[in-house]
Amino acid sequence: ETGVTQSPTHLIKTRGQQVTLRCSSQSGHNTVSWYQQALGQGPQFIFQYYREEENGRGNFPPRFSGLQFPNYSSELNVNALELDDSALYLCASSLGLKREGQDTQYFGPGTRLTVL
Amino acid sequence: AQKVTQAQTEISVVEKEDVTLDCVYETRDTTYYLFWYKQPPSGELVFLIRRNSFDEQNEISGRYSWNFQKSTSSFNFTITASQVVDSAVYFCALTLISNFGNEKLTFGTGTRLTIIP
Repeated sequence: ETGVTQSPTHLIKTRGQQVTLRCSSQSGHNTVSWYQQALGQGPQFIFQYYREEENGRGNFPPRFSGLQFPNYSSELNVNALELDDSALYLCASSLGLKREGQDTQYFGPGTRLTVL
Repeated sequence: AQKVTQAQTEISVVEKEDVTLDCVYETRDTTYYLFWYKQPPSGELVFLIRRNSFDEQNEISGRYSWNFQKSTSSFNFTITASQVVDSAVYFCALTLISNFGNEKLTFGTGTRLTIIP
C-alpha cells in the first residue's frame, strides 16, 4: 500500500450537482496530482498542487477546481456535473524535489464517480 | 506534447508463459522519465518501475524485466513465467524532467493482461 487514501470510494450524483472528492497524501509528501480515468482509458491529468498552490493544469474546464491544505491533503471539486464526468478519479502524491526517485507519483485507490 | 502508445489492448496467455507488453512514446524533449504502473481490479495504480532517459540499461526485478531503447522510442515490459496474480491492466507513462521535479504523467491507454490458469 502507498499510504495515499481517498474518500469516498464510490459516489453517485445527478447531472448538474456538485461533488467534492478528498485525498490524503503519503506521509512526508507535499505534492498532490489529480487524474481522471474514463472507462477503458488511461488516466488524464487534471491538475497538481504543491504546497497549497496550483502547479500545472491539464485540459479540463474551470468547473474542475481544487484545494490543498496545510497538512498537504487535497480536495477535487467538480461543479455542474455532466454525464461525461463519470469516471475513476485518482489522486497521487509525491515529494516536490528534483532527486532521482524522489518525485515518483504514488496513487490512491480512487473514487468512482457515477453521474446519472 | 507527449504521447504514449500501447498498441496491445488485451493479451491472454496461459500461466507460466512469458509475455511482453509494448510501449512506444513520443516526445521532443531529451530528458524524461518512463514508468510502468499496474492497475489490478481494485483500481489503485501500483508503481512498478521508473527509468531515466539518460539510462538505457535494461533492468530485471524478479520475474519482471524492462527493455528501454531510445533508438526506437520503446520501453517494453516482459513478465517471465507469468502467474494468475499478474492479471491486471498495465500502463506505460512518461513525464518530462523539469527543474521543479514534478511534472504530469502522460499515460498510454493500457494493456489488459489476463493469465489463464
